[in-house]
Order: sequence, then structure tokens, then C-alpha cells
Amino acid sequence: DGGITQSPKYLFRKEGQNVTLSCEQNLNHDAMYWYRQDPGQGLRLIYYSQIVNDFQKGDIAEGYSVSREKKESFPLTVTSAQKNPTAFYLCASSMGAEQYFGPGTRLTVT
Amino acid sequence: QQPVQSPQAVILREGEDAVINCSSSKALYSVHWYRQKHGEAPVFLMILLKGGEQKGHDKISASFNEKKQQSSLYLTASQLSYSGTYFCGTEIPETSGSRLTFGEGTQLTVNP
Repeated sequence: DGGITQSPKYLFRKEGQNVTLSCEQNLNHDAMYWYRQDPGQGLRLIYYSQIVNDFQKGDIAEGYSVSREKKESFPLTVTSAQKNPTAFYLCASSMGAEQYFGPGTRLTVT
Repeated sequence: QQPVQSPQAVILREGEDAVINCSSSKALYSVHWYRQKHGEAPVFLMILLKGGEQKGHDKISASFNEKKQQSSLYLTASQLSYSGTYFCGTEIPETSGSRLTFGEGTQLTVNP
């Protein structure tokens, strides 16, 4: 079955630690995205990549970093510079208009 | 610029109709609609392109008024399964084909 996988589903970290969220897709999509969702709010774009080895900042890139070394993988690192990292993180991919979303990772930093 | 959705929340009884609006201050290339159930990933409903026609998906349809930079999502004869949060995502010509900007969402609750 084709789709997007994100792991883990729940992640707990101590303040000051960097953490990497995984996103893998086997849909052969060129474009991949990372969004952050806070309770009762919409989806805010962190980073996106339209092709391997290239990515662009979204609206809230500060405190985050990404890499796109393979077409199927787009990991997101939440660094210690991110002031309020606790949130629900969604990865998506697309080939054209429709974006397909993964199940998300809920990150809690204490 | 984030599109503005209205209303923020709506409660219906099964079988009633609802309209959700999405407005932008920028000229739009397209509007995308997604539905997200609690704790799940958003699911694509439909896309409306500039110059395109009104779209339909079962009893859910949408329109796009290019002059007003506004899209409306119409849910008719609502079913319990329609409950969830509806998001519009907008695409501007300058970045068409690359990224969406999502509204804050409209929470729809359908009760028996």
C-alpha cells in the first residue's frame, strides 16, 4: 500500500534537546511538506521541498531544520532554538494539486 | 497572508445544510478544501482553480468567486460522518504549484 509514514506517533523530550521527526513516503511524489498544528489552529507551513537536495522555508521555519537527500524521505529536526516546540507535526507529499498527509507526530517538550 | 474562514464553528442536526466561507486579501490561483477528524490527518476534498467550475463531491460542493477572492463550501443534508474541522488552503499565482496557506479551520459538529 502506498502512503506516508511518520514515526513515532508520540514523542517526549526534555527542553534543550534536539529531536528529529521522521517522514517517509512511497508514493513517488516529488514535493514534500512539514506543517505544525497547535490546538484549535490551522496548519502552518514550516518547510517544503519540491525536489531532492532542495528545500524552502515556510512561514515558521525558525528553530527547525530539514534535509532532502532522498526523494522518499524528508526528516524534520526541532532544535533547542525553537521556543515553543510542543505541537502536532504533520508531513505531507504531493504530485500536483492534492496533498496527502501522514498520521502526524505529537511532540511534547517539558 | 492566511485566509480567513467563517464561521469558526457550527453545530448542525443531521440533515441540515451548512456553508463555510474562505476569504483572502490576495489574488488567488486556487482554493483547496480539506477535512480533518479529531486526532487524524487532513483529507483532501476538492480543489477549485481560477476560471474553473463549481466542484462537487457527493453532497459536498464548493464555489470560487475570483472577483471577491472567496470560496464557499456547501454541505447539504449533512450526515454524522461530516463532523470534523474543515480547512481551506489557498494558492497564489506567484507560488502556484508549490505551497498552500491554510486558514484556521471551521469546526463542524453534526448531531443526531
